[in-house]
Amino acid sequence: GQNIDQPTEMTATEGAIVQINCTYQTSGFNGLFWYQQHAGEAPTFLSYNVLDGLEEKGRFSSFLSRSKGYSYLLLKELQMKDSASYLCAVRGFDSWGKLQFGAGTQVVVTP
Amino acid sequence: ETGVTQSPTHLIKTRGQQVTLRCSSQSGHNTVSWYQQALGQGPQFIFQYYREEENGRGNFPPRFSGLQFPNYSSELNVNALELDDSALYLCASSPDSGSTNEQFFGPGTRLTVL
Repeated sequence: GQNIDQPTEMTATEGAIVQINCTYQTSGFNGLFWYQQHAGEAPTFLSYNVLDGLEEKGRFSSFLSRSKGYSYLLLKELQMKDSASYLCAVRGFDSWGKLQFGAGTQVVVTP
Repeated sequence: ETGVTQSPTHLIKTRGQQVTLRCSSQSGHNTVSWYQQALGQGPQFIFQYYREEENGRGNFPPRFSGLQFPNYSSELNVNALELDDSALYLCASSPDSGSTNEQFFGPGTRLTVL
């Protein structure tokens, strides 16, 4: 099975940087995903890591260490619209479409 | 390009009833996954359909069942509804398994069981 842990909530000010950590335990690893979800809306894809290292996409970056079972999502130059829940999800080998999600980290951006 | 759509948007049922939720996958996508998301939690995988066959299932009882049609749209059926079935039900589609890493989620159906 898989166990995914991420902080419940983080608060940061506009323009700042926030790092959301995710640790996981899995019997088989085939990729880690980060999704953003605004209240009442569907999750939207942010990033995907399957090899160790940093993936950068604009203001968002995601890092993976498979040996440590650890990932983080880095949000730079925070904007008010970044206030949302950020979901870490891991895929195993049993089913291509099966993602195991963490409970999500609620990021609150303050002026 | 049309994205993933779901219907209905909201639904209220009582315990013991049955419900059918519908999902139209994004154009060109033949894989559909269903998730249940309780308030304050991450989505939980229910099952996946690939070319009209169930292709993976999470820890949900048999009263959760599904179908995928030749046009790759899908249904989620839940029998004998329980109060704990109240949640947001999300459908996600992706192209042919193995060709991409991204799942595109629909807006969800909010189910309330009274």
